[in-house]
Amino acid sequence: SAVISQKPSRDICQRGTSLTIQCQVDSQVTMMFWYRQQPGQSLTLIATANQGSEATYESGFVIDKFPISRPNLTFSTLTVSNMSPEDSSIYLCSVVRPGSDTQYFGPGTRLTVL
Amino acid sequence: AQSVTQLGSHVSVSEGALVLLRCNYSSSVPPYLFWYVQYPNQGLQLLLKYTTGATLVKGINGFEAEFKKSETSFHLTKPSAHMSDAAEYFCAVSVPWAGNMLTFGGGTRLMVKP
Repeated sequence: SAVISQKPSRDICQRGTSLTIQCQVDSQVTMMFWYRQQPGQSLTLIATANQGSEATYESGFVIDKFPISRPNLTFSTLTVSNMSPEDSSIYLCSVVRPGSDTQYFGPGTRLTVL
Repeated sequence: AQSVTQLGSHVSVSEGALVLLRCNYSSSVPPYLFWYVQYPNQGLQLLLKYTTGATLVKGINGFEAEFKKSETSFHLTKPSAHMSDAAEYFCAVSVPWAGNMLTFGGGTRLMVKP
């Protein structure tokens, strides 16, 4: 597995503001993903973070709302922009190591928007 | 496209009783199958996975699952529940050559009664 950290672990934000979530891995990985887990729900894939290029977004998610960066093979950020209470969720990053077929998840960021 | 159905959003067992969490999948090609566990306020932890080979796979914490192609199932079992097993369990499927993209089931919350 990989050691994955996320910052912040939780935050309470005001409506209309933005929050950037960081995902750091202890070794180079081939793939990084961002998921949203709404209260009491399963995980929904937001996007695949591509190293050195634009992220690939899933249906229902757009770059203006969820800009993603991945400047290298061990780090990615997800920004939740112009937040509303509906954005209150747990946001998780996951990674796939070279030669692996398994996604490993970070501890998540619990976001509450007031 | 793949899909995953977890029968029973909530399962309650007594401590020491058998745990059975059901997962059925739909896939047009032989899938990879995963079970993840999410403890309160934590990220997802891999319990076990099936890729190829032996259809009965053993995971951490005494859990195991059997891949049954004819039934398109991958049910999770544990002979004797422990209080510490109380958590949310997610079944997921991926297609080997589709970028390790995971499709998750809706999750099953396991409650263990003393």
